[in-house]
Amino acid sequence: LAKTTQPISMDSYEGQEVNITCSHNNIATNDYITWYQQFPSQGPRFIIQGYKTKVTNEVASLFIPADRKSSTLSLPRVSLSDTAVYYCLVGDTGFQKLVFGTGTRLLVSP
Amino acid sequence: GAVVSQHPSRVICKSGTSVKIECRSLDFQATTMFWYRQFPKQSLMLMATSNEGSKATYEQGVEKDKFLINHASLTLSTLTVTSAHPEDSSFYICSARRQGGDTEAFFGQGTRLTVV
Repeated sequence: LAKTTQPISMDSYEGQEVNITCSHNNIATNDYITWYQQFPSQGPRFIIQGYKTKVTNEVASLFIPADRKSSTLSLPRVSLSDTAVYYCLVGDTGFQKLVFGTGTRLLVSP
Repeated sequence: GAVVSQHPSRVICKSGTSVKIECRSLDFQATTMFWYRQFPKQSLMLMATSNEGSKATYEQGVEKDKFLINHASLTLSTLTVTSAHPEDSSFYICSARRQGGDTEAFFGQGTRLTVV
């Protein structure tokens, strides 16, 4: 399983764009990159998933360089409610287990 | 998106008793479910992989006789914490993937277990 490395914490202010980068140097060919968000005392929630280049949905964008050894989750114009822990996971399709790294604790202030 | 429901959301039990936590996929079939434990301010730790109709696969260091997992149907997996002790107090979370190899995993809302 590819190991991931993320910053432990980040601070931002309302209305700013937040970029969280994740390193996954030993990502395998079949691996996808998936980001989850977790609020206190809740289960993680899927944010976005990608394989290469750029993926965008209604809440975030995911940028993946050509070598796929890292990825960046971009949250446009964060609000207080985006304060949460964000996890980057790498794994292939099918039923391979998902192993969580430390995650990044994002604090959004007024 | 698909829904995974856990029950109960909170439970308090006395030391030495057993507690069962249910994980249900409400609108899809899940051949495989995963059980995690999370301590305060820490990441999720995978405990075991639950396979429908077969024995669960436990991660290293997780006692299979203490954490009994039963995956009796394609929509239900249960985790039973046997002879619970205060150190078993934690947040337990399950997740499931849809049958057919969906790349996205769906998580339950978690169960807060407090052993007194």
